[in-house]
Amino acid sequence: DAKTTQPNSMESNEEEPVHLPCNHSTISGTDYIHWYRQLPSQGPEYVIHGLTSNVNNRMASLAIAEDRKSSTLILHRATLRDAAVYYCILRDVSLSNFGNEKLTFGTGTRLTIIP
Amino acid sequence: EPEVTQTPSHQVTQMGQEVILRCVPISNHLYFYWYRQILGQKVEFLVSFYNNEISEKSEIFDDQFSVERPDGSNFTLKIRSTKLEDSAMYFCASREQGGFAMNTEAFFGQGTRLTVV
Repeated sequence: DAKTTQPNSMESNEEEPVHLPCNHSTISGTDYIHWYRQLPSQGPEYVIHGLTSNVNNRMASLAIAEDRKSSTLILHRATLRDAAVYYCILRDVSLSNFGNEKLTFGTGTRLTIIP
Repeated sequence: EPEVTQTPSHQVTQMGQEVILRCVPISNHLYFYWYRQILGQKVEFLVSFYNNEISEKSEIFDDQFSVERPDGSNFTLKIRSTKLEDSAMYFCASREQGGFAMNTEAFFGQGTRLTVV
């Protein structure tokens, strides 16, 4: 899977929006952008994914740059429960990658929410 | 909401002993995985399992490790002779589909903390 780059840590105030960046300059046309998060002492949890268009769900929004070389996960109103490590992961869905099911986690961004 | 459950939540074992970590994936899921996370480190892929066989495994998943789906609901990870360096959180995950539908999300369990002494 292509590599992603994220800041090691970020802080945000409670009830304010949070923008978590991810750079993926070597992304290929068949790479989907996935975000997972890991709350303290828990397993990873799916957040959102997208290909080209911006995506919204009940947890977050995903803004994807026009050239797809970067993306931003947006938490619209952070709560203390959103304190976690956030992982940006590329998933290649091309035929050549068929059967390669694993998620490759990097070090992610540790998000701290300030009350 | 359906969830992946893992037992036990914490297992302490002596070096050289066998351990079996158990997982109950979500019932209609077809793809199953084990990952591990050594304290303070990244989440690492161990093995994926589909149609009653291993579909992919990492370098970590050596001959000491094995997986099994003994019935229609459980998915187990066995470590035959534990080493100190096997101490980690072990996460089970499942996915409804794979292949061209690889964009389906993976659901992770809460993990089993394995401590080898």
